[in-house]
Amino acid sequence: GQNIDQPTEMTATEGAIVQINCTYQTSGFNGLFWYQQHAGEAPTFLSYNVLDGLEEKGRFSSFLSRSKGYSYLLLKELQMKDSASYLCAVLDSNYQLIWGAGTKLIIKP
Amino acid sequence: ETGVTQTPRHLVMGMTNKKSLKCEQHLGHNAMYWYKQSAKKPLELMFVYSLEERVENNSVPSRFSPECPNSSHLFLHLHTLQPEDSALYLCASSQDLGHSNQPQHFGDGTRLSIL
Repeated sequence: GQNIDQPTEMTATEGAIVQINCTYQTSGFNGLFWYQQHAGEAPTFLSYNVLDGLEEKGRFSSFLSRSKGYSYLLLKELQMKDSASYLCAVLDSNYQLIWGAGTKLIIKP
Repeated sequence: ETGVTQTPRHLVMGMTNKKSLKCEQHLGHNAMYWYKQSAKKPLELMFVYSLEERVENNSVPSRFSPECPNSSHLFLHLHTLQPEDSALYLCASSQDLGHSNQPQHFGDGTRLSIL
């Protein structure tokens, strides 16, 4: 079966750095997405990785290792507004998105 | 404007009622999706439409009936729902189907509660 694993919940301090991990086992791989979802709102696209390595976009970076079936989302200089759920999703060989259950990130002052 | 608009935002209905959820996208996309989101569970893909044609039906019970009259609008007709159908229903769109790096754009969802 296909599976995406990410931690259920994480807590971090304002101004700090946090890394949210995602591991996957899927039938084929056509890329990995990270989305941010604030409570009661739409998931919004953060990043897309299809090649190994780190993609940096402002305070957010996303890393991929295809051989390890592993990705992480790195958030720097945390702000209170970063409190949200972060969803990892993999595009499989049929171009269908397989979703993780999301990681709820709580930022404390 | 988010680009994908869903109405209503909240819906409470009895098990014998019939209601419809509406989704409209203003992005010129060709593919549209319905998802069910339950607490602490992955998004469940329900239906996929490409150029107004249904291309995916993930074993969804017949009490959920989708309709796509044109590439900008998507409906989900509901009838005789069960309490376990209470969830957030999300609509999404993407430029095309089957292209790797095109993200899906989501609406804010309809929070559905079945009494």
